[in-house]
Amino acid sequence: EDQVTQSPEALRLQEGESSSLNCSYTVSGLRGLFWYRQDPGKGPEFLFTLYSAGEEKEKERLKATLTKKESFLHITAPKPEDSATYLCAVRTSYDKVIFGPGTSLSVIP
Amino acid sequence: KAGVTQTPRYLIKTRGQQVTLSCSPISGHRSVSWYQQTPGQGLQFLFEYFSETQRNKGNFPGRFSGRQFSNSRSEMNVSTLELGDSALYLCASSPRGRGGLDTQYFGPGTRLTVL
Repeated sequence: EDQVTQSPEALRLQEGESSSLNCSYTVSGLRGLFWYRQDPGKGPEFLFTLYSAGEEKEKERLKATLTKKESFLHITAPKPEDSATYLCAVRTSYDKVIFGPGTSLSVIP
Repeated sequence: KAGVTQTPRYLIKTRGQQVTLSCSPISGHRSVSWYQQTPGQGLQFLFEYFSETQRNKGNFPGRFSGRQFSNSRSEMNVSTLELGDSALYLCASSPRGRGGLDTQYFGPGTRLTVL
């Protein structure tokens, strides 16, 4: 069965304390992996799309990487405004999109 | 470019009623997908439409249905509402038709409360 998991479920960081979020997937063929950020009561905001193992993308304090079994979202020197739920999703070879449960990130000043 | 818009933003209904939600995709985007988001189940895929045809369907009962119009706008309908249908319903659009993988861009969602 296709599955996407994320860890940790929740993460609390001090401002400036770098860390990584994990997205692991078991799917019947990966066509691509997406990272989103979601603030409470709002729709997910697109961050990155990764297509193949070894690919990396960066945006401000965020960097996403992809391997054959997982993806990492690295957050460098986070700020309080980075607090949000981070979601990863995969599109399978059957053209279905499956979302992970998300990681709730809190950055404390 | 204007983003994905969804109407209404908030809706309160009672059990047994039906509801129709609307989504206008980003201009030029031909694919619209619908998701249900609840605290317990997270984001779950409902269905995807492309050029007025349903391409994919998630594991939801037949009470959940949708359609897409020639201008790519989409509606989803839930009949015989149940308490468990209370959720944030999200619409996402993507360009499609370009080969390769298309990123989905989400609207703000419609918060449905069933009493």
